[in-house]
Amino acid sequence: DVKVTQSSRYLVKRTGEKVFLECVQDMDHENMFWYRQDPGLGLRLIYFSYDVKMKEKGDIPEGYSVSREKKERFSLILESASTNQTSMYLCASTKDRASYGYTFGSGTRLTVV
Amino acid sequence: SQQGEEDPQALSIQEGENATMNCSYKTSINNLQWYRQNSGRGLVHLILIRSNEREKHSGRLRVTLDTSKKSSSLLITASRAADTASYFCATGGAGSYQLTFGKGTKLSVIP
Repeated sequence: DVKVTQSSRYLVKRTGEKVFLECVQDMDHENMFWYRQDPGLGLRLIYFSYDVKMKEKGDIPEGYSVSREKKERFSLILESASTNQTSMYLCASTKDRASYGYTFGSGTRLTVV
Repeated sequence: SQQGEEDPQALSIQEGENATMNCSYKTSINNLQWYRQNSGRGLVHLILIRSNEREKHSGRLRVTLDTSKKSSSLLITASRAADTASYFCATGGAGSYQLTFGKGTKLSVIP
């Protein structure tokens, strides 16, 4: 069964900490995405990557960075966590642009205290 | 930026009834997709319909697309308690890497 695996289901971090969220897919997909999901706001795209070492900003990149050193792994970095980054973070991958369905990970619920 | 808007925001039905959710969008699309999300989990892809298609079926799911009205509907027939979830539509533009998601319809199926 094909999978997108997010390293943590729940995470609690302190304000100012550097936070790494890891995402690994086993489908050889070119494209990977990081979304955050908040009540009333739906899913908002933070960053995406269409190839190794390539990245593009989404709708809300401020306060985040990403890394894609290998095709299967896409990391989201919160440079200095703040309480307004408390959210559900969802990683997804897809084979070819937006013409195919996304496969999502189970999500990481991050709380910044 | 949000493009899809689902309607209604919440829907409560009895088991065995049909559930219909609607999605409207603003710009031209290459395809429209529907996803399901169980509480606190990731989204699961249900069905994709391309802009040159009008209707598509998958098991108990039926999706229609009207590009002239920029709208789509998802019908779940003979609903079950296990269908309780949030349902999202997402649109993909021609040549675009990314999907744009709506805010979802929360479906409750009462046993």
